[in-house]
Amino acid sequence: DAKTTQPNSMESNEEEPVHLPCNHSTISGTDYIHWYRQLPSQGPEYVIHGLTSNVNNRMASLAIAEDRKSSTLILHRATLRDAAVYYCILSHWDMRFGAGTRLTVKP
Amino acid sequence: ETGVTQSPTHLIKTRGQQVTLRCSSQSGHNTVSWYQQALGQGPQFIFQYYREEENGRGNFPPRFSGLQFPNYSSELNVNALELDDSALYLCASSPLAGAPGETQYFGPGTRLLVL
Repeated sequence: DAKTTQPNSMESNEEEPVHLPCNHSTISGTDYIHWYRQLPSQGPEYVIHGLTSNVNNRMASLAIAEDRKSSTLILHRATLRDAAVYYCILSHWDMRFGAGTRLTVKP
Repeated sequence: ETGVTQSPTHLIKTRGQQVTLRCSSQSGHNTVSWYQQALGQGPQFIFQYYREEENGRGNFPPRFSGLQFPNYSSELNVNALELDDSALYLCASSPLAGAPGETQYFGPGTRLLVL
């Protein structure tokens, strides 16, 4: 199974950009890169996903390395509501979650 | 559009008992996946149902079983409960099983405590 490696925790200041890294050196050609986040006492929430090209949506941007062995989730202006555990997942048809990165946002 | 709902929200059982958890998928979604999330860990895939058939399974014993109904709602059944089964159980629905890159939409979960 393809696996991902993320830092256990990161801190950010409010209204500053946040770059959350993910390594996935064993990614296969058909694996999509998904990012979900989980706020306290809630189920995971979809953030963004991509295959090869960088992606943007209203929540975030996803930058994918040319060799696809790493990716970065970019929150352009962190807010206190972005404090959550962020999961980087390689999916073909099922989702295999790791431990994720706990993001703390300081006022 | 109604999102994924789960019931009950909380449940307490004793070791050896059986439990049934329920999930209603998002409107228009025919696939339901179940996950177990132990405290401080990421969700672990249990199994997926597509059009009332099990479509794939993670590394969970047979005492974890499920059903999907014609309206695409689903149940997770766990027999012979063990203390380690205490966890948040998450249900996720998606519009098409097995489609590469398909997004899953999660419910709020059922928190099960086994004493």
